[in-house]
Formats: sequence, C-alpha cells, structure tokens
Amino acid sequence: NAGVTQTPKFRILKIGQSMTLQCTQDMNHNYMYWYRQDPGMGLKLIYYSVGAGITDKGEVPNGYNVSRSTTEDFPLRLELAAPSQTSVYFCASSSRGGSGADTQYFGPGTRLTVL
Amino acid sequence: AQSVTQLGSHVSVSEGALVLLRCNYSSSVPPYLFWYVQYPNQGLQLLLKYTSAATLVKGINGFEAEFKKSETSFHLTKPSAHMSDAAEYFCAVSDLGGAGNMLTFGGGTRLMVKP
Repeated sequence: NAGVTQTPKFRILKIGQSMTLQCTQDMNHNYMYWYRQDPGMGLKLIYYSVGAGITDKGEVPNGYNVSRSTTEDFPLRLELAAPSQTSVYFCASSSRGGSGADTQYFGPGTRLTVL
Repeated sequence: AQSVTQLGSHVSVSEGALVLLRCNYSSSVPPYLFWYVQYPNQGLQLLLKYTSAATLVKGINGFEAEFKKSETSFHLTKPSAHMSDAAEYFCAVSDLGGAGNMLTFGGGTRLMVKP
C-alpha cells in the first residue's frame, strides 16, 4: 500500500512551458486535492475532486487545470508556466469528505521552479 | 469564511523542554480541527484531530491538543521535546459548509529543538 504518490519530485521549467504533475492513490479514496505551499503561507487549495469525473476550483485555481478520469489518478496541468507558480505542490486524498472529519493523506510533494 | 492563525512562525525550545505551538481559528460553527506535521522534504502527516468528542485530543509521538471553544484555540503541546520533533507544524480547520471536506491551513510554525 503506497498511499499517495507524486511524480516528478523536482522540476525546472522555463517561462511559457507546460507540464503535468502526476498524482496517484491506491487507497480507493473518492476525494482528492491539489495544494501549493509557499514559504510562510501554509497550504492553499488549487483544485479538488469528489469522485471520478467531478472536479471543482479551490482558492487559487488560476493557471492550472485538472482532470479525474479514474478514482486513482488526479493530474494537475500547468499551462504557460510563470515564475509565480514556483512552489511545492502537494496532492492529497481522503475517503469520504462531506462530514469534514476525514483525514487527508498527503503525497511527498513536487518542487517546481519556473525560471 | 474560516481562517486559522498560528502565532509564531518559528519556535525554538531546548531538548526536554515543554513544546507549545499556538493555533487560533475563526468559524461560525463548531469546527473540526487538525494538526499536521511536515518533516524536511516530506509531505504532511496527521498528528491529531478534534472531531467534537473529547476536548483534549491525544496524538502520535506524545503530542496533544486541547479544544477551547471560549478562546477559539487549539494549541498543540508536548511535555518534553525531542530532537526528532524538529519539523514544521500546521494547524487546519475543516470546511463544514462545502462539499469537498476542504481544509484551511494556518501559515505553519517551524519548531527547532536545541540540544
């Protein structure tokens, strides 16, 4: 049981390039999330999904897109990368949601630098 | 909208001393509250959570937190710090009004433990 896995671990992009951050969970969780972590700012929610085929925006969705074609995978797409997207990105999942009490399980993160 | 404030972005204690990390929240309804820990270059992992049962919550690694509604606080404590406790700690509140079990995080507190 690997939990939540993310690839790549590190990436450097040039301004204007695009990339996809991969996230996979093997816990059969319905809810999945993408956060970005900037120094001193905590984590900000980018997008979330409550099940396959259903996604919604979080607090900071601009410049990102997501899809959820399977329960296991929740990729995050960056189009036209900008220096402001330099951050550490975390994917998380939880079993049910709705009640608000479910624990979110986090992946190890992807450190992205845009130059 | 909910919010979380963590007082002190950096806290330094000596090994064996009391650890106290402060968290205050704002919420219009009784919240669910979480403490997560992030070790260097790793994702977040759950320390403990309050889900409206006992107000004193015990977590892993000897940590505990007390929910005080009158003070809107959920401070994290540990009686005796260990070198291995050096990490960043995040307090979070659950979005009860939303559909996605979304968490709002505080800015984090980096705990340093001196030998």
